[in-house]
Amino acid sequence: EAQVTQNPRYLITVTGKKLTVTCSQNMNHEYMSWYRQDPGLGLRQIYYSMNVEVTDKGDVPEGYKVSRKEKRNFPLILESPSPNQTSLYFCASSSQARDEQYFGPGTRLTVT
Amino acid sequence: AQSVTQLDSQVPVFEEAPVELRCNYSSSVSVYLFWYVQYPNQGLQLLLKYLSGSTLVKGINGFEAEFNKSQTSFHLRKPSVHISDTAEYFCAVSESGRGSTLGRLYFGRGTQLTVWP
Repeated sequence: EAQVTQNPRYLITVTGKKLTVTCSQNMNHEYMSWYRQDPGLGLRQIYYSMNVEVTDKGDVPEGYKVSRKEKRNFPLILESPSPNQTSLYFCASSSQARDEQYFGPGTRLTVT
Repeated sequence: AQSVTQLDSQVPVFEEAPVELRCNYSSSVSVYLFWYVQYPNQGLQLLLKYLSGSTLVKGINGFEAEFNKSQTSFHLRKPSVHISDTAEYFCAVSESGRGSTLGRLYFGRGTQLTVWP
């Protein structure tokens, strides 16, 4: 089954404790992206990747890192999480940037 | 920077009534336009998209949208809604062509459509 998977689905952590949210797709897509969703703000793009080893900033990259060492994986790293990073995070992938994006189920992160 | 405005944050409507969800964007270049739907506790899925060609685009579940370049709008319509259409709807825009912004996708803040029996 074609899908985008994210782990973990739920995470509660404390300020400053490094964490990684994994994202994997099995559709051989070149393009992958991370978004955060906050009430009343819609989705905002954090980082995106056009292909392996090619990443770029979106609207809200501060406090986040990404890497794209393999085509299928695009992990999101929070080196020192803060409470303002409490949010619902979505990973998405598509064949190319202009194509339909397939979204993962989301990761709900709470930073206390 | 690109911005996307969804003019209504909430749209309540009765079952079988028509509905229009409005979306305007700001861009001086050619764009690709999308509508995504998010059902409760789920990720987003594509309803329809405009890349080029006919300005009237048909999508899944009976939805359609019309691209109006002069008004920079991409409003979503359905002639008769069902209770199962209750969800949040997001308009999204990306700039076409080559350049550093090709991978950027800008979302509106969303419109909650609630269909009442």
